[in-house]
Amino acid sequence: NAGVTQTPKFRVLKTGQSMTLLCAQDMNHEYMYWYRQDPGMGLRLIHYSVGEGTTAKGEVPDGYNVSRLKKQNFLLGLESAAPSQTSVYFCASSEGAGGPHEQFFGPGTRLTVL
Amino acid sequence: GQNIDQPTEMTATEGAIVQINCTYQTSGFNGLFWYQQHAGEAPTFLSYNVLDGLEEKGRFSSFLSRSKGYSYLLLKELQMKDSASYLCAVMDSNYQLIWGAGTKLIIKP
Repeated sequence: NAGVTQTPKFRVLKTGQSMTLLCAQDMNHEYMYWYRQDPGMGLRLIHYSVGEGTTAKGEVPDGYNVSRLKKQNFLLGLESAAPSQTSVYFCASSEGAGGPHEQFFGPGTRLTVL
Repeated sequence: GQNIDQPTEMTATEGAIVQINCTYQTSGFNGLFWYQQHAGEAPTFLSYNVLDGLEEKGRFSSFLSRSKGYSYLLLKELQMKDSASYLCAVMDSNYQLIWGAGTKLIIKP
């Protein structure tokens, strides 16, 4: 099992460009999440999904969109990148929401917006 | 507001014991998680506490006091590979994880 994979691993964008980050999991998990991690701050939830075809906003959703057309995939889109979106983006998945259901993380995407 | 506090950085000696504290104020509580994150890598799960008390797992133990809004992660027999950041996260009433900024643990020989 590959677990959670993310593509690309690194990307440099210019302000105003768009891009899509792809997350895939092979654990048949219902729940998927997109986080960003910035120096000196905790992981912050951007968007999440509780199942195929559903998405919801997290703590910092502005400037991002998501889609979950297939259970195993969760896409994060930046329509018009801004320097404030320079960050490391992590995708995660879990079997359930509560209880002892740990989140499994992908390796991350390091995005720089110039 | 919701808040998770943990020390920014700690230093310990190989073979010793270290305790990393975490205090929290959240809207609701559905469990507390500890994750380990090596530099440049993804967080990986270490422990989960939902009831008061100590959970032991090998060299790592985690303690929770819900009345005090307090947890700690105890690492015994420290090894160089334990050099990493340790993230405390609380699951709130909406079943979303609220994350601390992490504690960078430096192990010296």
